[in-house]
Amino acid sequence: EVQLLESGGGLVQPGGSLTLSCAASGFTFSDYGMSWVRQSPGKGLEWVSTVNGGGGSKFYAESVQGRFTISRDNSKNTLSLQMNSLGAEDTAIYYCAKTEAHYYFRYWGQGTLVTVSS
Amino acid sequence: DIQMTQSPSSLSASIGDRVTITCRASQGVRGYLAWYQQKPGKVPELLIFEASTLRSGVPSRFSGSGSGTDYTLTISSLQPEDVATYYCQKYNSPPWTFGQGTKVEIK
Repeated sequence: EVQLLESGGGLVQPGGSLTLSCAASGFTFSDYGMSWVRQSPGKGLEWVSTVNGGGGSKFYAESVQGRFTISRDNSKNTLSLQMNSLGAEDTAIYYCAKTEAHYYFRYWGQGTLVTVSS
Repeated sequence: DIQMTQSPSSLSASIGDRVTITCRASQGVRGYLAWYQQKPGKVPELLIFEASTLRSGVPSRFSGSGSGTDYTLTISSLQPEDVATYYCQKYNSPPWTFGQGTKVEIK
């Protein structure tokens, strides 16, 4: 059974930083891309970032390019998202998602809430 | 970037009704189109990928079709458990954009 467990969310001040983690199990982690998708309160889904299975190819939404860094540790089955220069617009539930070969999202974690506020 | 536009933004239908949601891309996405269901307070779930392939376990009343720029999600007979917001997502190339969502309610 595929399981994705996010952690690291919380309250952070504008301009601050936060690192999210996603612990994966139930599949061969290194065989799959992994992504972050976020959802602001009461809003729709927004793709944030994707890394391929080997970690060598990374993709970012324009809204986070240069501020967020996605990474993975295949030895620990862990996905991370380093978020810098956070603003109110980054307030959202952040979901970790197992990403199929053609980049759709078959499995999602339960999400972790990031709130950017002073 | 390719924009994804869903219509309608919301709809209200009766139990047993046929419901159709449309997703239009600003450029062709070559069938690389997925549909997700998000029930209130829950995590999104994949329903359909490659425009028309039903994920295992998804009820057969759900179906997808389309090509090029225009895609549809159809619920052949609306059930109470189908109350949710539905999103399309294109994945032919980055960015992997979602539509704005269609909220489905029971009349």
